Amino acid sequence: AQSVTQLGSHVSVSEGALVLLRCNYSSSVPPYLFWYVQYPNQGLQLLLKYTSAATLVKGINGFEAEFKKSETSFHLTKPSAHMSDAAEYFCAVSKYGGATNKLIFGTGTLLAVQP
Amino acid sequence: NAGVTQTPKFQVLKTGQSMTLQCAQDMNHNSMYWYRQDPGMGLRLIYYSASEGTTDKGEVPNGYNVSRLNKREFSLRLESAAPSQTSVYFCASSEDINSGNTIYFGEGSWLTVV
Repeated sequence: AQSVTQLGSHVSVSEGALVLLRCNYSSSVPPYLFWYVQYPNQGLQLLLKYTSAATLVKGINGFEAEFKKSETSFHLTKPSAHMSDAAEYFCAVSKYGGATNKLIFGTGTLLAVQP
Repeated sequence: NAGVTQTPKFQVLKTGQSMTLQCAQDMNHNSMYWYRQDPGMGLRLIYYSASEGTTDKGEVPNGYNVSRLNKREFSLRLESAAPSQTSVYFCASSEDINSGNTIYFGEGSWLTVV
């Protein structure tokens, strides 16, 4: 069975500070990993995804994530936070090479950016 | 550039009433999904449709039915609404059902059952 754990349901950073949102996964087979962002009262938008091509994945809005198999982690980072980054972020996993595109989501991390 | 469109956006139901959430996508995707989002639980898959004419249960299908009306449309029906079905519902689609395909989400439907 696959699962993801997001450490920290709420994270607060100052504008211009490093953003680090943590995600650890559990999977008995190689995974696909995703980060989605949800702005208030909106749907989820894909930030980036890992599909085994490269361990460091760059996404939209200056975000990136690094796949670390030894640590079973896929943490999301951004060097300098903007006010517009305030949103909820979801990590998700699916089975590599699977015949069904089922995403298993983490419980989300709400990012607040202080001026 | 509509993407995935859901209606209604907000609905209040009384316990025992029925309703249908409508969803349409204009990206010519083969696969469509219904998720529910509850506080502290992330998103959970209710039903999915790999292609036109097929539907399958997801993680939390009890109390719901779905219809893949055609390639564009995938509806979710609550036959007898219960307070436990108060949630935010998201329709989504992807090019096909193979894992790794990007899933595109609609903007959500807020449902309250009283």
